[in-house]
Amino acid sequence: GENVEQHPSTLSVQEGDSAVIKCTYSDSASNYFPWYKQELGKRPQLIIDIRSNVGEKKDQRIAVTLNKTAKHFSLHITETQPEDSAVYFCAASIEGHNNAGNMLTFGGGTRLMVKP
Amino acid sequence: AAGVIQSPRHLIKEKRETATLKCYPIPRHDTVYWYQQGPGQDPQFLISFYEKMQSDKGSIPDRFSAQQFSDYHSELNMSSLELGDSALYFCASSRDRGPGTEAFFGQGTRLTVV
Repeated sequence: GENVEQHPSTLSVQEGDSAVIKCTYSDSASNYFPWYKQELGKRPQLIIDIRSNVGEKKDQRIAVTLNKTAKHFSLHITETQPEDSAVYFCAASIEGHNNAGNMLTFGGGTRLMVKP
Repeated sequence: AAGVIQSPRHLIKEKRETATLKCYPIPRHDTVYWYQQGPGQDPQFLISFYEKMQSDKGSIPDRFSAQQFSDYHSELNMSSLELGDSALYFCASSRDRGPGTEAFFGQGTRLTVV
């Protein structure tokens, strides 16, 4: 099955700096890579995703890059703010016919702390 | 916009008791997933349903079972509860085909086994 590794496990940055979180995956059939932000005791919330037919996607201060050959993808947050502090999870799945393999395999999570 | 609804939000059970968690997906979503998240852990996939049929099975114990009903809501039944079953249980839903197949999570059910 799929295995997703995520680094670092904790990341502390100064407000206004950039933060980068990296993930690798093992199953070359995976073609959908979402990123979730989770605050303590709350549900994971989708912040951005990327599919294997593109290499980069950006949404305001958040961007994600994907290298299919190397099987890794990264989340970039620019101009970080204290409210960006949370746990971020990368995930991988296979979008396909009849939903087979659509379940998300999550990375271990990164606790991001943005210091004011 | 309607979201994924889970009930109950909190549940306290004793060891060896049973529990039933319910999930109501976003309207027109045909796929439901169940995840278990222990303290400080990432969500672990348990089981999923597509069009009321089980589609994938993950690390779901034999003591647990689940189903999806004709109205697409799903229930996770947990028997012979153990202390280690204490966790946040999330349900997520998505559409299988076309644009917008993202999975959206419910608020979760916090199960505490004492």
